[in-house]
Amino acid sequence: AQKVTQAQTEISVVEKEDVTLDCVYETRDTTYYLFWYKQPPSGELVFLIRRNSFDEQNEISGRYSWNFQKSTSSFNFTITASQVVDSAVYFCALSEALSQGNLIFGKGTKLSVKP
Amino acid sequence: ETGVTQTPRHLVMGMTNKKSLKCEQHLGHNAMYWYKQSAKKPLELMFVYNFKEQTENNSVPSRFSPECPNSSHLFLHLHTLQPEDSALYLCASSQDQASGGRDTQYFGPGTRLTVL
Repeated sequence: AQKVTQAQTEISVVEKEDVTLDCVYETRDTTYYLFWYKQPPSGELVFLIRRNSFDEQNEISGRYSWNFQKSTSSFNFTITASQVVDSAVYFCALSEALSQGNLIFGKGTKLSVKP
Repeated sequence: ETGVTQTPRHLVMGMTNKKSLKCEQHLGHNAMYWYKQSAKKPLELMFVYNFKEQTENNSVPSRFSPECPNSSHLFLHLHTLQPEDSALYLCASSQDQASGGRDTQYFGPGTRLTVL
């Protein structure tokens, strides 16, 4: 069965620190997609990245980077030089090709960045 | 307006009231979704519409009634709700639900519902 685990419930860092949010997934499908979303206090889920199961290349976007490793079924997210505006709940999600696009979300990691 | 919009942003209702939540997407998508987000619980998928046809009902109680008159609009009609239905209700859209999971879902800001 498909499952997404975000073991870190809450993380607190000081501004400019680097922080990594962990995501571990379970799937029996060979074709699947992984996502990260950011939910600031306003409530809207903001899409950050999508990765397909055939592309293990790591990605960097500004201060954000993602490390996808199929061998460990992990899709971790690192914020470099964190800022107060990064404070939010971050969700990792999985979509399988056979599941008609339904997203399975982890429980989220609440990140607090203090000045 | 851009993206996905939801109205109202906040709603307080009694258990005997009838109200509706509205979602509109301006992205030209064909699939729309309702999710429920309760405190300390993962997001729960409630309903999915693809090309105006309901394709998923995730065992949602009948006091929640969805309506999708066209690919751009999605409603959630509420009646005789319970206090445990208080939650953030999020709407999302994607290009096509039947794309094999690759289409990204884009979310609205949500409606914060409180049932007294």
